[in-house]
Amino acid sequence: IAGITQAPTSQILAAGRRMTLRCTQDMRHNAMYWYRQDLGLGLRLIHYSNTAGTTGKGEVPDGYSVSRANTDDFPLTLASAVPSQTSVYFCASSDSAGHPNSPLHFGNGTRLTVT
Amino acid sequence: AQKITQTQPGMFVQEKEAVTLDCTYDTSDPSYGLFWYKQPSSGEMIFLIYQGSYDQQNATEGRYSLNFQKARKSANLVISASQLGDSAMYFCAMRESGSARQLTFGSGTQLTVLP
Repeated sequence: IAGITQAPTSQILAAGRRMTLRCTQDMRHNAMYWYRQDLGLGLRLIHYSNTAGTTGKGEVPDGYSVSRANTDDFPLTLASAVPSQTSVYFCASSDSAGHPNSPLHFGNGTRLTVT
Repeated sequence: AQKITQTQPGMFVQEKEAVTLDCTYDTSDPSYGLFWYKQPSSGEMIFLIYQGSYDQQNATEGRYSLNFQKARKSANLVISASQLGDSAMYFCAMRESGSARQLTFGSGTQLTVLP
């Protein structure tokens, strides 16, 4: 089934540890995104990539990094986790070559707890 | 300033009745798109409906319709004939033409359908 796969589904991480959240899509979408969801704040954009080889910062990029070596993969790395990074992380993609009305397609999320 | 405002943290509706979820937005971009997503308790993000700023008619998708009032910068979601399965968090989001195709989300409205 075509879509976005995120791994792991959930993770408990000690503060100060490094963690990479994985995201793979098989829809050949050019654009990919990482959002974090926190209660009362909705979804906030962390980083995005319009096409393989390029990335950009979103609303809340501090403490996170991304890479886009190919079309399908868009990993998110927390270099040194802090408790404020406890959140649900969503990876998404869209067909940037398509119409402006093309929606974002989301993965099922990764629930991360930093202790 | 918030770009997307959802002023109803929680809403209740009786089964089979209609309900309106409010969304106001702020942009100076003449070309933009508005999206609604549903997030059930299972956590996935489900795209419901889209409205373009130049669309002449309000968008409809089955039981979902969008009450688009451009001058008031509002894009309220109307769910007709509510069902128990409509109980979920609902997010309004906007894409501006100048953005990197990411969506900016509101804080969401938790809808509960009562039997």
